[in-house]
Amino acid sequence: EAQVTQNPRYLITVTGKKLTVTCSQNMNHEYMSWYRQDPGLGLRQIYYSMNVEVTDKGDVPEGYKVSRKEKRNFPLILESPSPNQTSLYFCASSSGTGFTGELFFGEGSRLTVL
Amino acid sequence: GDSVTQMEGPVTLSEEAFLTINCTYTATGYPSLFWYVQYPGEGLQLLLKATKADDKGSNKGFEATYRKETTSFHLEKGSVQVSDSAVYFCALRIAGGYQKVTFGTGTKLQVIP
Repeated sequence: EAQVTQNPRYLITVTGKKLTVTCSQNMNHEYMSWYRQDPGLGLRQIYYSMNVEVTDKGDVPEGYKVSRKEKRNFPLILESPSPNQTSLYFCASSSGTGFTGELFFGEGSRLTVL
Repeated sequence: GDSVTQMEGPVTLSEEAFLTINCTYTATGYPSLFWYVQYPGEGLQLLLKATKADDKGSNKGFEATYRKETTSFHLEKGSVQVSDSAVYFCALRIAGGYQKVTFGTGTKLQVIP
C-alpha cells in the first residue's frame, strides 16, 4: 500500500529536549515536505526537499532542521524545542518535479512542548 | 506572493443540502489548483484538482471549476451527507515554483442529520 508514515503520532516533551520526527514514503517520490498546522493559520511549509541531499527552507523554518540522506526518508529535527513549536506536523511527498502533482500526506504528528 | 483565500467556517448544513465553499487565489505564476479534505484525526488527502483554466475537477460528488478570469476554484456538492463532515483546504502549486504548495486556512464543514 502506498503511504507516508510518520512517527511518533503523539509526543509530549519539555523545552530544550532534542527530538526527531521521522517520515518515510514507499512511493519512490522525489519531492518531500514538512508542514505545521495551527488553528486559523492553515498549513505552513517548514522545509522541503526536491531530491536526496537537496533541501531548502519553506515559510517557517526557524527552530527546525531536516536531512535527506535517502530518497524515502525525510526526518524533521527540533534541536531545542520551545512551546511555540507545539503544533500538528504533517509530512508529505509527491512524484516528479512538476506543478500538477498532488501531495500525499502522512497521518500527522501532534507535538506538545511544555 | 502567492495566496489562497477561503470562506470562513465552520459551515453547518443539514443532510442533502447544497454545499458551496468559496476559494479565490493570487498567484505569481500559472497555478494548478487543488482541494484537499481532512477527516477527523487523519492527514489530508486529495479530493480533486484542476491543472488548467476551465478544467473541472470532480470526485465523490464534489466539483470545482478552474476560473482564471475570476481567479476562483469554488467547491460544490449537490447533496451533502453526514460522512462529508471534515475540514476542506484549497491549495495551489505554480509552474516554475512547484516546490511550494500554498494552502488556504481551511473550512470546517459539519453536516447534521
